[in-house]
Amino acid sequence: QKEVEQNSGPLSVPEGAIASLNCTYSDRGSQSFFWYRQYSGKSPELIMSIYSNGDKEDGRFTAQLNKASQYVSLLIRDSQPSDSATYLCAVSGGAGSYQLTFGKGTKLSVIP
Amino acid sequence: DVKVTQSSRYLVKRTGEKVFLECVQDMDHENMFWYRQDPGLGLRLIYFSYDVKMKEKGDIPEGYSVSREKKERFSLILESASTNQTSMYLCASSFWGAAGNTIYFGEGSWLTVV
Repeated sequence: QKEVEQNSGPLSVPEGAIASLNCTYSDRGSQSFFWYRQYSGKSPELIMSIYSNGDKEDGRFTAQLNKASQYVSLLIRDSQPSDSATYLCAVSGGAGSYQLTFGKGTKLSVIP
Repeated sequence: DVKVTQSSRYLVKRTGEKVFLECVQDMDHENMFWYRQDPGLGLRLIYFSYDVKMKEKGDIPEGYSVSREKKERFSLILESASTNQTSMYLCASSFWGAAGNTIYFGEGSWLTVV
């Protein structure tokens, strides 16, 4: 059974701070990793994807991947109240795998 | 931008009714999916399709069926709705890019079965 674990939160950070969201996964064969943002009552929106070890930056967002530790994280710099949402980590299987396994999400609250 | 459209956003149906949820994508994606999302349970895959007329069961297919007659359209069918199928249903489509199978979601359909 493939598992993706996230701390459910809520994670509260003050406006302007760095928010750090973490995710671990059980399947060593996993190749691609995704972060989705989901506002309350809305559908998940893709923020970033990463498939190589190391960091990938996109604006205020940085995804970090460590396959040896089976760990992926999302950093949000200069957090804004509009970043308050639930963040879902998703992990794909090996080559040719159609399915993503989703974590249950971490709720982030950015305090003005 | 990827556009996945779920035409029915909010539905209320009676127990035993047949329910159709329609989904259309405009990006010529090969793959389409139906998920449901419930508090505390996260996203669960019901069915997916990797080609026209092809379908595969996901983690929770019981009580559901799907239809994919055209590449852009993927329908979810509840043959006889039950109250435990009250949920948010999410359609998605995907393509194979550098990051692997990248999935995009529609806006969701909120179904209440009474």
